[in-house]
Amino acid sequence: AQSVSQHNHHVILSEAASLELGCNYSYGGTVNLFWYVQYPGQHLQLLLKYFSGDPLVKGIKGFEAEFIKSKFSFNLRKPSVQWSDTAEYFCAVTSSNTGKLIFGQGTTLQVKP
Amino acid sequence: DTEVTQTPKHLVMGMTNKKSLKCEQHMGHRAMYWYKQKAKKPPELMFVYSYEKLSINESVPSRFSPECPNSSLLNLHLHALQPEDSALYLCASSQVLGRQRDQPQHFGDGTRLSIL
Repeated sequence: AQSVSQHNHHVILSEAASLELGCNYSYGGTVNLFWYVQYPGQHLQLLLKYFSGDPLVKGIKGFEAEFIKSKFSFNLRKPSVQWSDTAEYFCAVTSSNTGKLIFGQGTTLQVKP
Repeated sequence: DTEVTQTPKHLVMGMTNKKSLKCEQHMGHRAMYWYKQKAKKPPELMFVYSYEKLSINESVPSRFSPECPNSSLLNLHLHALQPEDSALYLCASSQVLGRQRDQPQHFGDGTRLSIL
């Protein structure tokens, strides 16, 4: 069965620090990978997605993620975080067969001003 | 603002009540989803509708009854819920089930449900 593992459950950073959130998935077939963000009291928003092609994916709000197939990883990065990036971040994967979206456990990011 | 609209935003109900959650989208999406999300946890898939037909039921108890009256609307009927059913219920939609390329799921703001 597919699964997604996010290594960091709670991350605290100061503004302007660099961010990297880990995500590993287990699935041997073709996968589509996503990062979603959930700001306090708001809906889940898509940050970025990977289907194929360039493994370095750029998303909204300065986020990017790198797909490393050999490591089954899809880590999220941002060079310089802002206080407004405080939110819950979810990595997710779907198989091309079922389309079911499987989420990781989430990482709470707290950015101190 | 999200393009998936959910009502009500908050709902408090007793264990013997019957209520319904509503979800609406006008993006022409033909796949619609219900998720349950507990605090600080990821969303858990409950149901998937594809072209107004129930496609996936993730072994959800029968006290939750989904309905898709047309391609824009998705309901979740609630009856005899338990306190552990208190959660945020999210609706999502995507263009077509099973073909996620360029078709991520769009989420609503959710209905925060409290069972007394």
